[in-house]
Amino acid sequence: DAGVIQSPRHEVTEMGQEVTLRCKPISGHNSLFWYRQTMMRGLELLIYFNNNVPIDDSGMPEDRFSAKMPNASFSTLKIQPSEPRDSAVYFCASSLVLAGPNYEQYFGPGTRLTVT
Amino acid sequence: QQPVQSPQAVILREGEDAVINCSSSKALYSVHWYRQKHGEAPVFLMILLKGGEQKGHDKISASFNEKKQQSSLYLTASQLSYSGTYFCGTENAGNMLTFGGGTRLMVKP
Repeated sequence: DAGVIQSPRHEVTEMGQEVTLRCKPISGHNSLFWYRQTMMRGLELLIYFNNNVPIDDSGMPEDRFSAKMPNASFSTLKIQPSEPRDSAVYFCASSLVLAGPNYEQYFGPGTRLTVT
Repeated sequence: QQPVQSPQAVILREGEDAVINCSSSKALYSVHWYRQKHGEAPVFLMILLKGGEQKGHDKISASFNEKKQQSSLYLTASQLSYSGTYFCGTENAGNMLTFGGGTRLMVKP
């Protein structure tokens, strides 16, 4: 079974441009998470969805960031306009359940974003 | 509030043991442990629920002290494949995980 799929794997863009990151969760998983990882701040949760509904977006840094999940098999994270400080690895993760002994998040390979 | 991990880094020889600690200032529902190899995604190791349980996975085990809001990861007889960065993720209310800053583990031959 395919794991979490993210695209693109690498993105280099200029400051001010719009960036869209894409994620396909594992089939059947009903929760999806977007994380950002940097050396300075570590692994930060940006937003998570349950059954396609955003549950908590308190980690979204500012209005330039937005995320959508139009259906159970697709989510996007958009940055508009992008800034150099947005450079990071962005991970998408999905899980089948949100509590209990089987609560496990499966991470995608990540998108390495560089904003120049 | 991000959980605090210690040590930040550790270097071992193959066959040696290590302990990684994770502590939180908030009450915890569960603690998750992940390992991330360089350039790869974090991979789930185990979850510990409230109740002070201890779990094992091959030669990697963990404990969870709910009262102290602490968890420890034990790596026994380390192998080269154990190298990577270990993260604890603490679950407070809301099902979200907050990850610690990570412990970089290097196992040398």
